[in-house]
Amino acid sequence: DTAVSQTPKYLVTQMGNDKSIKCEQNLGHDTMYWYKQDSKKFLKIMFSYNNKELIINETVPNRFSPKSPDKAHLNLHINSLELGDSAVYFCASTGRTLKTFFGQGTRLTVV
Amino acid sequence: DAKTTQPPSMDCAEGRAANLPCNHSTISGNEYVYWYRQIHSQGPQYIIHGLKNNETNEMASLIITEDRKSSTLILPHATLRDTAVYYCIVRVGVGNTPLVFGKGTRLSVIA
Repeated sequence: DTAVSQTPKYLVTQMGNDKSIKCEQNLGHDTMYWYKQDSKKFLKIMFSYNNKELIINETVPNRFSPKSPDKAHLNLHINSLELGDSAVYFCASTGRTLKTFFGQGTRLTVV
Repeated sequence: DAKTTQPPSMDCAEGRAANLPCNHSTISGNEYVYWYRQIHSQGPQYIIHGLKNNETNEMASLIITEDRKSSTLILPHATLRDTAVYYCIVRVGVGNTPLVFGKGTRLSVIA
């Protein structure tokens, strides 16, 4: 069973559209994150949630709105998509062992 | 910002040991050293972590210097599948602070 799963794996959309990426973890972890990896392959933290509460928002534009309906899910909604949003987005989670597990990534392409 | 320094790239012959160095001269007493790797564009994968003692698991060994200012990840018998970007990260051992990624070391295992 996949520990951290994201859908969709690929997303191609036009500028100005609104899209969502879903993430679910079946590890019973309390903390979940969203990371962005741009074309230069630099991985940057975007958001961190602990027990459905937002802990960290790393100066991400407010067009990005994470939503955590429960501890196992952290979805990412993006409004008014721009070309610069094209990247690979990774969801991750951490539990008491402090090991972080990552999803397989969602490759977003804005055209 | 990442608190670690790694060489940008290394090569290793298949079947030989790969030794990946990492400097973390400003590490705090409550910070662990973590190693992750990213194969192609997959999600980062946990390898190993340690505080001050050397650690070994089925994937690798971690050697931390006595002053904790540097460490070495050892892959004992590198295979072509170990070709990846390897990230050395320091993180506090309590709470669920997110991993902060640097540029890592691109390891190429050559047949």
